[in-house]
Amino acid sequence: AQSVTQPDIHITVSEGASLELRCNYSYGATPYLFWYVQSPGQGLQLLLKYFSGDTLVQGIKGFEAEFKRSQSSFNLRKPSVHWSDAAEYFCAVGSTGANNLFFGTGTRLTVIP
Amino acid sequence: EADIYQTPRYLVIGTGKKITLECSQTMGHDKMYWYQQDPGMELHLIHYSYGVNSTEKGDLSSESTVSRIRTEHFPLTLESARPSHTSQYLCASRVQGPYNEQFFGPGTRLTVL
Repeated sequence: AQSVTQPDIHITVSEGASLELRCNYSYGATPYLFWYVQSPGQGLQLLLKYFSGDTLVQGIKGFEAEFKRSQSSFNLRKPSVHWSDAAEYFCAVGSTGANNLFFGTGTRLTVIP
Repeated sequence: EADIYQTPRYLVIGTGKKITLECSQTMGHDKMYWYQQDPGMELHLIHYSYGVNSTEKGDLSSESTVSRIRTEHFPLTLESARPSHTSQYLCASRVQGPYNEQFFGPGTRLTVL
């Protein structure tokens, strides 16, 4: 069965510090992977996506993610966090022809001055 | 400007009322989705559509119904709202093709008293 695990419910980092949000997936077919961000009261905005090719993908707002097939992981990183990055982050997996995406439970990021 | 819209953004209503949550997109996407989102939980797909006159139930059982009479419009209806329907409802659409990238609306937060 398809599933996405985000083991960290809540992470707090200082502004300017580096960030890594973890995502592990379980999917029988070749996965397509996504990271979305959700600010309070808003919908989800796509940060980046991985379909194939280079396993290190760059996204918007200075985020990047690395696909590691051997670890079934797609962790999100940012070298220097800004206060405006405080939000909820969702990892999702899908595949060609899938009806929908499967989402993790999200990681809430708090940024302290 | 191509976008996806949801109205109302917030709705507080009494038990037993009939409600319709509106979703419209101007991107010309054939595929549209409704998700239910509760705090600390993954997004659950409740309905999807592949095009006009196509509607399917998603993974999460829901007492709501949907219709797709026009490509750009995908409303969700609850015939008799109950407190258990209190949640955030997110509408999304997807570009045609092999990839599953979805674009989300801002959501409707529904509270049933």
